[in-house]
Amino acid sequence: EVQLLESGGGLVQPGGSLRLSCAASGYTFSTYAMTWVRQAPGKGLEWVSAISAGGGDKYYAASVKGRFTISRDNSKNTLYLRLDSLRGDDTAIYYCARATIAYGDYHFNTWGQGTLVSVSS
Amino acid sequence: EIVMTQSPATLSVSPGGRATLSCRASKSVTVNLAWYQQKPGQAPRLLIYGASTRATGIPARFSGSGSGTEFTLTISSLQSEDFGVYYCQQYYNWPLALSFGAGTKVEIK
Repeated sequence: EVQLLESGGGLVQPGGSLRLSCAASGYTFSTYAMTWVRQAPGKGLEWVSAISAGGGDKYYAASVKGRFTISRDNSKNTLYLRLDSLRGDDTAIYYCARATIAYGDYHFNTWGQGTLVSVSS
Repeated sequence: EIVMTQSPATLSVSPGGRATLSCRASKSVTVNLAWYQQKPGQAPRLLIYGASTRATGIPARFSGSGSGTEFTLTISSLQSEDFGVYYCQQYYNWPLALSFGAGTKVEIK
């Protein structure tokens, strides 16, 4: 069974940092692009960042560029998101998701359960 | 940035009825368009990709159409389990900059 399990969320002060992890299982992790999508309380989905299967190509939303860093360790089947210079509007559930097709386009058919990041003093 | 606009914001449909959801892109995304369903407290679920290809396990009552800037998701005979919020997502923009619409909430009348 294909599974994604996020961890690393929590309460952090404005200006602080967190590292989110997404542990993948049940498939060949290194052959699928991955993404992070967030959802603020009561709001819609917002794309945050994506990374190619091999990890060489990384993409960011304008709202997080320069503050967030996506990475992956294909030997550990794990996706990461480093969040720096956090602000109140970064408060959200952060989902990791896997692309539908190996080496395919950036639509996503497998999602984790999400991890909550709360930014508050 | 490609802006995705969904309409209506809320749709109330009786069981067995037909639901038609619209998604408009601010510029052409060809057929690089996906649809997701999200229920409260759950992660999104992929329904459609490539504008019209149903994802694995998605019932045939869900269909997608359109290309360029205008897209439609149709639920042909609404079931009670189809309530939720539906989002469109484009994956055309290059360098990659994905974007979602604001969502359409489908309520069972």
